[in-house]
Amino acid sequence: DGGITQSPKYLFRKEGQNVTLSCEQNLNHDAMYWYRQDPGQGLRLIYYSQIVNDFQKGDIAEGYSVSREKKESFPLTVTSAQKNPTAFYLCASKRGRTSGANVLTFGAGSRLTVL
Amino acid sequence: ELKVEQNPLFLSMQEGKNYTIYCNYSTTSDRLYWYRQDPGKSLESLFVLLSNGAVKQEGRLMASLDTKARLSTLHITAAVHDLSATYFCAVDADDDMRFGAGTRLTVKP
Repeated sequence: DGGITQSPKYLFRKEGQNVTLSCEQNLNHDAMYWYRQDPGQGLRLIYYSQIVNDFQKGDIAEGYSVSREKKESFPLTVTSAQKNPTAFYLCASKRGRTSGANVLTFGAGSRLTVL
Repeated sequence: ELKVEQNPLFLSMQEGKNYTIYCNYSTTSDRLYWYRQDPGKSLESLFVLLSNGAVKQEGRLMASLDTKARLSTLHITAAVHDLSATYFCAVDADDDMRFGAGTRLTVKP
């Protein structure tokens, strides 16, 4: 079945450590996204990528980094520069710039807790 | 910058009642989406609205889009407990997908 796989589902990190969240899709989607969700809040865009080897900052990119070396993969690194990283992180993908429906498909999410 | 505003943010309803959630956005777009999120879970797609005047219905939920007013509505008819969730609208403007803050709906018996 096609879909998006995020790992790990739960992650605990000590302050000052970098951590990388994995996002892999087998939907042949061109565009991929990372969102952050805080408790009781909406989704805020961190980074997005429309094609391989290219990505754009969203509203809250500071303290995060991404790479898009393969179409299927869009890992997110939460660096020690991110001051309040505890949150629920959602990865999503869609077909890219096409006419018609362009629905985002979401992964199950990764819940990061900084101790 | 594309901004998406939803209201209300919190909605407590009695079963059997009707209500409407509103979604306003700040830029020209004719692609709007509604998603549902259950507690602790990811988002699932509910409706895709692709043109002015588009209306979609699924069970007790009906979504509509007015691109001239930059407004979408999600109408709930005769609410039931299973509809309790958080509902998000999202606007697609040249791949910049932005979400509203979400409406947390609680349906009480």
